[in-house]
Amino acid sequence: GENVEQHPSTLSVQEGDSAVIKCTYSDSASNYFPWYKQELGKRPQLIIDIRSNVGEKKDQRIAVTLNKTAKHFSLHITETQPEDSAVYFCAASKRGGTGGGNKLTFGTGTQLKVEL
Amino acid sequence: GAVVSQHPSRVICKSGTSVKIECRSLDFQATTMFWYRQFPKQSLMLMATSNEGSKATYEQGVEKDKFLINHASLTLSTLTVTSAHPEDSSFYICSARDHGLANTEAFFGQGTRLTVV
Repeated sequence: GENVEQHPSTLSVQEGDSAVIKCTYSDSASNYFPWYKQELGKRPQLIIDIRSNVGEKKDQRIAVTLNKTAKHFSLHITETQPEDSAVYFCAASKRGGTGGGNKLTFGTGTQLKVEL
Repeated sequence: GAVVSQHPSRVICKSGTSVKIECRSLDFQATTMFWYRQFPKQSLMLMATSNEGSKATYEQGVEKDKFLINHASLTLSTLTVTSAHPEDSSFYICSARDHGLANTEAFFGQGTRLTVV
């Protein structure tokens, strides 16, 4: 099955700096890569996603890049703010089918702390 | 975005009893729903895939007789933790994707904090 690794496990940045979180995946058939933000005790919220036919996607201060050859994708947050502090999870899935398609495999998470 | 509602949000039960958790997609149909378990400061671990009208598919290491899943309609899946023990205490979260859209955003319920005493 799919295996998703995520680094770093914790990340501390100063307000206004950029934060980068990296993930690698093992299944070359995976073609959908979302990023979720989870605050303590709450449900994960999708912040951005990318599909395998695209190399980069940006939404205001958040961007995601994908390297299919290397099987890794990264989350970039610019101009970080204290409210960005949370746990971030990457995930991967592949198109539906009998081989476990559509289920999301999550990375181990990154605790981001934005300090004033 | 689409809404997935999960109940209860918090439950405390005695060891040996059973607890049922409901997951509903409120404004879309979901032939498939997913049940995750999350221990403190850990990732979401998929327990099982709930399939409408058929048996659930369990991940390796998850006891199907302990975690009963029923997906009787396109908008409702239930997870029953049977004979709960303290080690079952965890945060359980369901998710669903729109039936008609392949490989798109997964929406999560608000989660259920289960404490077994």
